[in-house]
Amino acid sequence: EVQLVESGGGLVQPGESLRLSCAASGFTVSNNYLSWVRQAPGRGLECVSVIDISGGVYYADSVKGRFTISRDNSKNTLHLQMNSLRSDDTAVYYCARGGASHWGQGTLVTVSS
Amino acid sequence: DVVMTQSPLSLPVTLGQPASISCRSSQGLESSDGNTYLHWFQQRPGQSPRRLIYRVSNRDSGVPDRFSGSGSGTDFTLKISRVEAEDVGVYYCMQGTHWPWTFGRGTKVEIK
Repeated sequence: EVQLVESGGGLVQPGESLRLSCAASGFTVSNNYLSWVRQAPGRGLECVSVIDISGGVYYADSVKGRFTISRDNSKNTLHLQMNSLRSDDTAVYYCARGGASHWGQGTLVTVSS
Repeated sequence: DVVMTQSPLSLPVTLGQPASISCRSSQGLESSDGNTYLHWFQQRPGQSPRRLIYRVSNRDSGVPDRFSGSGSGTDFTLKISRVEAEDVGVYYCMQGTHWPWTFGRGTKVEIK
């Protein structure tokens, strides 16, 4: 059974950093596209980053230069390093597999002073 | 970026009646590999999104056959043949052909 479990969210101040993790089971991260999708409170969905099978990475303009996606094949885990956080980064962050076929439960990131 | 326009944004439906949601993209969604990466998601209140339909018309495992997807080019549709109480939630279309992947604003389905 495919499972994705996010962790690492929390309350931070503007300008601070946070690292999200997504532990995968039931499939191998190195053989799949993986993405981070966020949802601001009461809002829609935004795909902020994707890592493809060859390790190519893609970022939405809203996070480019501040966020870094990576994967740890030995731990079958996806990460999102988020630097220079802003209030408009406040959202639930989901990791998703492939064409978003499977989603985790999400982890809440709140950026506020 | 490809803009995904859903309509309606709110859809009150009667139990047992059909429902239809439209999704239009600002660019064609056929990829160079011949596939069209247009997917549909359901998000029930308080839950993570769940994919219902992938690549326009393919139902994901466990999705009831009352859900169907169709379309091509820039016009796509999700249909529910007979709405049930468990179908309440927000439905999103998403294109995965062009980066950045983009979602529609969502259609809120509620029971009349």
